[in-house]
Amino acid sequence: QKEVEQNSGPLSVPEGAIASLNCTYSDRGSQSFFWYRQYSGKSPELIMSIYSNGDKEDGRFTAQLNKASQYVSLLIRDSQPSDSATYLCAVPISGGYNKLIFGAGTRLAVHP
Amino acid sequence: ETGVTQTPRHLVMGMTNKKSLKCEQHLGHNAMYWYKQSAKKPLELMFVYSLEERVENNSVPSRFSPECPNSSHLFLHLHTLQPEDSALYLCASSQARAYGGGARNEQFFGPGTRLTVL
Repeated sequence: QKEVEQNSGPLSVPEGAIASLNCTYSDRGSQSFFWYRQYSGKSPELIMSIYSNGDKEDGRFTAQLNKASQYVSLLIRDSQPSDSATYLCAVPISGGYNKLIFGAGTRLAVHP
Repeated sequence: ETGVTQTPRHLVMGMTNKKSLKCEQHLGHNAMYWYKQSAKKPLELMFVYSLEERVENNSVPSRFSPECPNSSHLFLHLHTLQPEDSALYLCASSQARAYGGGARNEQFFGPGTRLTVL
């Protein structure tokens, strides 16, 4: 059973702090990794993709990938109350037919 | 807007009704997906269509029947549903690659249909 694990949270951080969200996956063959943000009652929105080991930065977001340790993380700098949402980690199944396996998501709460 | 639209946005139906959910993508993608999201549960993949052929059916009950007439449109036909089928139904699309591996298989979601079965 190929799995994607995330802490469910809630992760509570003060406004302006760095929020760190973590995800581990079981399929060593996975080549690409995605972070989605989902506001309550809305659909998931793709915010970051990462394909190589190391860091990838996009604005206030940084994705970090370590394939040897099978984890991917998302850092949100200068957290804002508008970042309060559930963050979903998604990993394709290697050899599968374009299928993504989603983690259960981490709920982030940024308080003023 | 992600380029994926879904209608209706909200649907209330009785257990004996028949209804259909519609999804349309304007991204030129060749793969489309149906997901179910229930409260406090992870996204569950229901069906995958690639190049209009169903390539995945994750043990979904037969009261859910998908249809993909072309690469831009996807339907989910519903009949004799149960109250536990109440959930957010999400459609997504991507540019699929022949042997998965998932390289750059970015999926984009529509806004979803909130379904309530009475």
